[in-house]
Amino acid sequence: QKEVEQDPGPLSVPEGAIVSLNCTYSNSAFQYFMWYRQYSRKGPELLMYTYSSGNKEDGRFTAQVDKSSKYISLFIRDSQPSDSATYLCAMSFPGFSGGGADGLTFGKGTHLIIQP
Amino acid sequence: NAGVTQTPKFQVLKTGQSMTLQCAQDMNHNSMYWYRQDPGMGLRLIYYSASEGTTDKGEVPNGYNVSRLNKREFSLRLESAAPSQTSVYFCASSAIRPTEAFFGQGTRLTVV
Repeated sequence: QKEVEQDPGPLSVPEGAIVSLNCTYSNSAFQYFMWYRQYSRKGPELLMYTYSSGNKEDGRFTAQVDKSSKYISLFIRDSQPSDSATYLCAMSFPGFSGGGADGLTFGKGTHLIIQP
Repeated sequence: NAGVTQTPKFQVLKTGQSMTLQCAQDMNHNSMYWYRQDPGMGLRLIYYSASEGTTDKGEVPNGYNVSRLNKREFSLRLESAAPSQTSVYFCASSAIRPTEAFFGQGTRLTVV
Protein backbone atom coordinates (compact mmCIF):
# COMPACT_ATOMS: atom_id res chain seq x y z
CA GLN A 1 0.00 0.00 0.00
CA LYS A 2 1.50 3.29 -1.12
CA GLU A 3 -1.13 5.91 -0.50
CA VAL A 4 -0.01 9.42 0.38
CA GLU A 5 -2.62 12.03 1.23
CA GLN A 6 -2.14 15.74 0.64
CA ASP A 7 -4.74 18.52 0.64
CA PRO A 8 -4.79 20.04 -2.87
CA GLY A 9 -5.80 23.52 -1.65
CA PRO A 10 -5.58 26.16 -2.86
CA LEU A 11 -4.05 27.60 0.29
CA SER A 12 -3.95 31.40 0.18
CA VAL A 13 -2.00 33.39 2.79
CA PRO A 14 -0.72 36.99 3.04
CA GLU A 15 2.92 37.79 2.40
CA GLY A 16 5.07 37.35 5.51
CA ALA A 17 2.86 34.65 7.05
CA ILE A 18 4.11 31.27 8.22
CA VAL A 19 2.86 28.52 5.93
CA SER A 20 2.26 24.95 7.05
CA LEU A 21 1.95 22.18 4.47
CA ASN A 22 1.25 18.60 5.44
CA CYS A 23 1.02 15.03 4.21
CA THR A 24 -0.09 11.80 5.79
CA TYR A 25 0.85 8.34 4.63
CA SER A 26 -0.11 4.78 5.38
CA ASN A 27 2.98 2.64 4.70
CA SER A 28 5.30 2.58 7.71
CA ALA A 29 8.13 1.21 5.55
CA PHE A 30 8.79 4.62 4.01
CA GLN A 31 12.05 5.99 5.38
CA TYR A 32 12.99 8.92 3.16
CA PHE A 33 10.81 12.01 2.91
CA MET A 34 11.11 14.82 0.41
CA TRP A 35 9.41 18.09 -0.44
CA TYR A 36 9.36 19.37 -4.00
CA ARG A 37 8.25 22.74 -5.34
CA GLN A 38 6.70 22.91 -8.79
CA TYR A 39 6.02 26.12 -10.63
CA SER A 40 3.41 26.12 -13.36
CA ARG A 41 4.53 24.21 -16.47
CA LYS A 42 7.91 23.37 -14.91
CA GLY A 43 9.47 20.23 -13.47
CA PRO A 44 9.47 19.50 -9.72
CA GLU A 45 12.41 21.03 -7.86
CA LEU A 46 13.79 19.32 -4.75
CA LEU A 47 13.50 21.57 -1.66
CA MET A 48 14.13 19.37 1.35
CA TYR A 49 15.09 15.79 2.07
CA THR A 50 14.82 14.07 5.46
CA TYR A 51 15.70 10.60 6.61
CA SER A 52 13.39 8.97 9.18
CA SER A 53 11.92 11.10 11.98
CA GLY A 54 13.05 14.55 13.06
CA ASN A 55 13.45 18.10 11.83
CA LYS A 56 15.58 19.68 9.15
CA GLU A 57 15.99 23.40 8.51
CA ASP A 58 17.23 25.18 5.40
CA GLY A 59 16.86 28.94 5.39
CA ARG A 60 13.16 29.80 5.57
CA PHE A 61 12.12 26.17 5.17
CA THR A 62 11.72 23.55 7.91
CA ALA A 63 10.74 19.94 7.27
CA GLN A 64 9.37 17.73 10.05
CA VAL A 65 8.75 14.00 10.02
CA ASP A 66 6.74 12.15 12.67
CA LYS A 67 6.93 8.48 11.75
CA SER A 68 4.86 7.41 14.75
CA SER A 69 1.93 9.44 13.39
CA LYS A 70 2.83 8.90 9.71
CA TYR A 71 2.74 12.66 9.24
CA ILE A 72 5.16 15.04 7.55
CA SER A 73 5.15 18.83 7.41
CA LEU A 74 6.87 21.67 5.60
CA PHE A 75 6.95 25.12 7.21
CA ILE A 76 7.78 28.25 5.26
CA ARG A 77 8.66 31.33 7.31
CA ASP A 78 8.38 34.90 6.05
CA SER A 79 6.51 33.71 2.96
CA GLN A 80 7.10 35.61 -0.29
CA PRO A 81 5.02 35.92 -3.47
CA SER A 82 7.78 33.96 -5.21
CA ASP A 83 6.87 31.00 -2.97
CA SER A 84 3.56 30.71 -4.82
CA ALA A 85 3.68 27.25 -6.41
CA THR A 86 2.49 23.70 -5.96
CA TYR A 87 4.25 21.81 -3.18
CA LEU A 88 4.58 18.07 -3.51
CA CYS A 89 5.48 15.71 -0.72
CA ALA A 90 7.24 12.51 -1.71
CA MET A 91 8.58 9.48 0.10
CA SER A 92 10.48 6.33 -0.66
CA PHE A 93 11.76 3.04 0.65
CA PRO A 94 15.48 2.76 1.43
CA GLY A 95 16.39 0.92 -1.76
CA PHE A 96 15.08 -0.86 -4.81
CA SER A 97 13.12 -4.06 -4.37
CA GLY A 98 11.34 -4.39 -7.73
CA GLY A 99 7.67 -5.03 -8.28
CA GLY A 100 6.51 -1.49 -9.03
CA ALA A 101 6.80 -0.18 -5.48
CA ASP A 102 10.12 1.56 -5.99
CA GLY A 103 10.89 5.15 -6.83
CA LEU A 104 9.21 8.09 -5.17
CA THR A 105 5.58 8.00 -4.08
CA PHE A 106 4.07 11.45 -4.36
CA GLY A 107 1.17 13.26 -2.81
CA LYS A 108 -1.05 15.08 -5.28
CA GLY A 109 0.36 18.48 -4.30
CA THR A 110 -0.90 21.58 -2.48
CA HIS A 111 -1.35 24.75 -4.53
CA LEU A 112 -0.01 27.66 -2.44
CA ILE A 113 -0.77 31.32 -3.16
CA ILE A 114 1.09 34.09 -1.32
CA GLN A 115 -0.81 37.35 -1.59
CA PRO A 116 1.38 40.50 -1.83
CA ASN B 1 25.13 22.69 -15.75
CA ALA B 2 22.15 21.18 -17.60
CA GLY B 3 21.01 18.51 -15.08
CA VAL B 4 18.24 16.44 -16.68
CA THR B 5 17.34 17.27 -20.28
CA GLN B 6 14.21 16.00 -21.99
CA THR B 7 13.28 16.17 -25.66
CA PRO B 8 10.89 17.07 -27.13
CA LYS B 9 9.16 19.61 -24.89
CA PHE B 10 5.83 19.34 -26.71
CA GLN B 11 4.33 16.71 -29.00
CA VAL B 12 0.97 15.97 -30.58
CA LEU B 13 0.35 12.43 -31.82
CA LYS B 14 -2.51 10.74 -33.54
CA THR B 15 -3.95 7.59 -32.00
CA GLY B 16 -1.87 4.60 -33.04
CA GLN B 17 1.32 6.55 -33.81
CA SER B 18 4.55 5.74 -32.05
CA MET B 19 7.21 7.98 -30.58
CA THR B 20 10.22 7.98 -28.28
CA LEU B 21 10.81 10.48 -25.50
CA GLN B 22 14.47 11.13 -24.85
CA CYS B 23 16.13 11.88 -21.53
CA ALA B 24 19.78 12.57 -20.67
CA GLN B 25 21.45 13.51 -17.39
CA ASP B 26 24.91 14.92 -16.82
CA MET B 27 25.18 14.34 -13.05
CA ASN B 28 26.73 10.86 -13.29
CA HIS B 29 23.67 9.43 -11.55
CA ASN B 30 23.13 5.68 -11.45
CA SER B 31 19.31 5.66 -11.32
CA MET B 32 16.82 7.12 -13.78
CA TYR B 33 13.03 7.27 -13.83
CA TRP B 34 10.05 8.10 -16.00
CA TYR B 35 6.94 9.60 -14.37
CA ARG B 36 3.69 10.86 -15.76
CA GLN B 37 1.70 13.68 -14.18
CA ASP B 38 -2.04 13.93 -14.67
CA PRO B 39 -4.51 16.38 -13.08
CA GLY B 40 -5.89 14.95 -9.85
CA MET B 41 -3.57 11.93 -10.01
CA GLY B 42 -0.22 13.36 -9.08
CA LEU B 43 3.08 11.94 -10.32
CA ARG B 44 3.12 8.21 -11.00
CA LEU B 45 6.12 6.06 -11.82
CA ILE B 46 6.05 4.39 -15.24
CA TYR B 47 9.45 2.66 -15.42
CA TYR B 48 12.80 3.05 -13.79
CA SER B 49 16.38 1.95 -14.16
CA ALA B 50 18.13 1.41 -10.85
CA SER B 51 21.50 1.17 -12.59
CA GLU B 52 22.93 0.97 -16.10
CA GLY B 53 21.82 -2.27 -17.71
CA THR B 54 18.67 -2.76 -15.65
CA THR B 55 15.08 -1.61 -16.07
CA ASP B 56 11.95 -2.37 -14.07
CA LYS B 57 8.26 -1.59 -14.16
CA GLY B 58 6.73 1.05 -11.96
CA GLU B 59 3.13 1.70 -11.01
CA VAL B 60 1.71 2.35 -14.52
CA PRO B 61 3.88 0.57 -17.15
CA ASN B 62 1.21 -0.63 -19.59
CA GLY B 63 1.59 0.81 -23.09
CA TYR B 64 5.21 1.87 -22.58
CA ASN B 65 8.68 0.48 -23.09
CA VAL B 66 12.04 1.85 -21.99
CA SER B 67 15.68 1.58 -22.91
CA ARG B 68 18.65 2.49 -20.72
CA LEU B 69 21.02 3.30 -23.58
CA ASN B 70 24.00 4.07 -21.36
CA LYS B 71 24.57 5.67 -17.96
CA ARG B 72 23.44 9.10 -19.21
CA GLU B 73 20.41 8.27 -21.33
CA PHE B 74 17.03 6.68 -20.63
CA SER B 75 14.33 6.70 -23.29
CA LEU B 76 10.58 6.04 -23.08
CA ARG B 77 8.72 4.61 -26.08
CA LEU B 78 5.04 4.62 -26.86
CA GLU B 79 4.48 1.92 -29.48
CA SER B 80 0.83 2.72 -30.29
CA ALA B 81 -0.30 5.93 -28.65
CA ALA B 82 -3.76 6.15 -27.06
CA PRO B 83 -5.69 9.21 -25.84
CA SER B 84 -5.27 7.89 -22.26
CA GLN B 85 -1.53 8.55 -22.65
CA THR B 86 -2.13 12.30 -22.94
CA SER B 87 -0.08 13.60 -20.03
CA VAL B 88 3.01 15.46 -18.95
CA TYR B 89 6.00 13.12 -18.81
CA PHE B 90 8.93 13.76 -16.52
CA CYS B 91 12.30 12.09 -16.50
CA ALA B 92 14.29 12.11 -13.26
CA SER B 93 17.61 10.82 -11.97
CA SER B 94 19.17 10.11 -8.59
CA ALA B 95 22.63 9.13 -7.43
CA ILE B 96 21.84 5.76 -5.81
CA ARG B 97 18.62 5.50 -3.82
CA PRO B 98 15.29 6.85 -5.11
CA THR B 99 15.75 9.83 -2.77
CA GLU B 100 16.93 13.24 -3.92
CA ALA B 101 15.71 12.73 -7.46
CA PHE B 102 16.24 15.61 -9.88
CA PHE B 103 13.64 16.21 -12.56
CA GLY B 104 13.69 17.45 -16.11
CA GLN B 105 11.36 20.14 -17.42
CA GLY B 106 8.85 17.69 -18.84
CA THR B 107 7.34 16.68 -22.18
CA ARG B 108 3.73 17.68 -22.79
CA LEU B 109 2.17 14.97 -24.93
CA THR B 110 -1.29 15.13 -26.46
CA VAL B 111 -2.77 12.12 -28.24
CA VAL B 112 -5.75 12.92 -30.46
